[in-house]
Amino acid sequence: EIVMTQSPATLSVSPGERATLSCRASQSVSSNLAWYQQKPGQAPRLLIYGASTRATGIPARFSGSESGTEFTLTISSLQSEDFAVYYCQQYNNWPPWTFGRGTKVEIK
Amino acid sequence: QVQLVESGGGVVQPGRSLRLSCAASGFTFSNYGMHWVRQAPGKGLEWVAVISYDGRNKYYADSVRGRFTISRDNSKNTLYLQMNSLRAEDTAVYYCAKDQIVGSYAFMDVWGQGTTVTVSS
Repeated sequence: EIVMTQSPATLSVSPGERATLSCRASQSVSSNLAWYQQKPGQAPRLLIYGASTRATGIPARFSGSESGTEFTLTISSLQSEDFAVYYCQQYNNWPPWTFGRGTKVEIK
Repeated sequence: QVQLVESGGGVVQPGRSLRLSCAASGFTFSNYGMHWVRQAPGKGLEWVAVISYDGRNKYYADSVRGRFTISRDNSKNTLYLQMNSLRAEDTAVYYCAKDQIVGSYAFMDVWGQGTTVTVSS
């Protein structure tokens, strides 16, 4: 089973600032990596797939990148609606599909 | 628009059974694999099970294999999760989610709003 490790667990950021979230896979997942956003009381929402492709309707301030088994989600200028928990997920080696434990982006 | 609506959650005693349903609309249900993903209170996301577009192939997380059964009725555009021998650690919000790719498996591009299962005596 591939283990996904996200860091940090919590990220405190001021509105308008950049947020950088990390996700590391325990072995290669190629570019088969997705990012999801989850707000309190809501279902997860797909943000990024293929490590760097934005899903339909996702603003351009969200971007994804990869370097080997390290993946990054960057939010270029945080808006109030972006404060949420973000999960990475690999879909290269299944089953199981595995998620990271999440990074909570909170208001500083 | 594409929509998934779960139902069937509730409070159940340990060892009992429960069946969840997920009604799909807005897309050709019979073309896509479908997943169940759960989230225990205050915890992260855990993949539970997946079923192929035609119902022939099913995969389960180790934590539920032998107790849970995923199924689908393409004539009713509905996904199911039969949960038997429930344990306290099965307490969670259960989401159904559509796979993105036709005829195979990838990531989940559409999620339902979730249904809550509480296992408690």
